Amino acid sequence: QVTLKESGPVLVKPTETLTLTCTVSGFSLSNARMGVSWIRQPPGKALEWLAHIFSNDEKSYSTSLKSRLTISKDTSKSQVVLTMTNMDPVDTATYYCARIVTFRNWFDPWGQGTLVTVSS
Amino acid sequence: QSALTQPASVSGSPGQSITISCTGTSSDVGGYNYVSWYQQHPGKAPKLMIYDVSNRPSGVSNRFSGSKSGNTASLTISGLQAEDEADYYCSSYTSSSYVFGTGTKVTVL
Repeated sequence: QVTLKESGPVLVKPTETLTLTCTVSGFSLSNARMGVSWIRQPPGKALEWLAHIFSNDEKSYSTSLKSRLTISKDTSKSQVVLTMTNMDPVDTATYYCARIVTFRNWFDPWGQGTLVTVSS
Repeated sequence: QSALTQPASVSGSPGQSITISCTGTSSDVGGYNYVSWYQQHPGKAPKLMIYDVSNRPSGVSNRFSGSKSGNTASLTISGLQAEDEADYYCSSYTSSSYVFGTGTKVTVL
């Protein structure tokens, strides 16, 4: 059974850097074509794709947030880490990670999500 | 990358069919057959319902179907049931990245 679980701080202050971890099970980040995407959803609003990383270390970022995002993986720990710099209250959202597979352009399954609030 | 456009809300009575549209551009929806649809119940994570425009994952009811014409994709729910009441989002691949729709709230009357 494939599962993903997000972890990280519940509250961050404006201008701080957010670090989120996605721990996966049921598949290996070293398996060819496997990848993880990060997607966020502000309260009451729509989903927004942020970034993805594949087993071959190929990465892609949202054009609008590229300067603030860094995605990386630790295959031995089955973890994908997303950092977002210079956090602002508008970044308050539930952050999800989801599995993605090369040449399969959909997200399945998703983690439960983690709510991050940006406030001083 | 601008969000794909969906109607804010769609409603129907039990047993009826409804269709949700998802309008993009030739750079996303119109340019690739990589549209997917997600169902999200309140407080829950999204669930994949349709991939590659019209394919249903194993376990998803055949009451859900997808199609595409030009820059607009559609999700149809037939035989509407109370459990179908949720938010629905489309997504499209677009040149090494992805874009989601604005979301549609489906209400079962």
